[in-house]
Amino acid sequence: KAGVTQTPRYLIKTRGQQVTLSCSPISGHRSVSWYQQTPGQGLQFLFEYFSETQRNKGNFPGRFSGRQFSNSRSEMNVSTLELGDSALYLCASSLLAENTEAFFGQGTRLTVV
Amino acid sequence: GENVEQHPSTLSVQEGDSAVIKCTYSDSASNYFPWYKQELGKRPQLIIDIRSNVGEKKDQRIAVTLNKTAKHFSLHITETQPEDSAVYFCAATVYSGGGADGLTFGKGTHLIIQP
Repeated sequence: KAGVTQTPRYLIKTRGQQVTLSCSPISGHRSVSWYQQTPGQGLQFLFEYFSETQRNKGNFPGRFSGRQFSNSRSEMNVSTLELGDSALYLCASSLLAENTEAFFGQGTRLTVV
Repeated sequence: GENVEQHPSTLSVQEGDSAVIKCTYSDSASNYFPWYKQELGKRPQLIIDIRSNVGEKKDQRIAVTLNKTAKHFSLHITETQPEDSAVYFCAATVYSGGGADGLTFGKGTHLIIQP
């Protein structure tokens, strides 16, 4: 069974640009969550989607957005990039809303220059 | 919102000794507490979890204890081995019938196993 797949693995963008990251969950998993990992702040929750609906959102500005498609694949978008957005973005999937065990992808390393 | 504190930030132990990592949480409604291990350059992986209706859970050399009254939970690794070297994260969340909130993570503990 394939694990959680995130693309691309690495990305370099310029300040002010926007970026879209993709996450394909484990087959059958309907819940997808996104996290930002930085050395200073650690792992921080961005948002969670279940059945194409955003159910929970962390404390991030509106520049961070996401969506989920009918096949459970999810994308997150960051607009007007800032240097501080440089981080590892991790996606995690869960089987059902009631099963909270989260399986993480390898992440997308975003560098903003 | 939830706040999770994790200590120590770095822990160095001799191979074969035990290691204990402690976390405290602030939201008394939190009811699910997973522990993740992250090796350098790799994804976080769940190693053990505990729900609020249980006080202790063991899986071979790994155990987790939960004290709901004091709002703290701990990871215990016995007979440590070199492959246990990694960063360990504790987390907490509120699970309700409508699903789970996002995980709130501690800042992580860098566990170093000395040969």
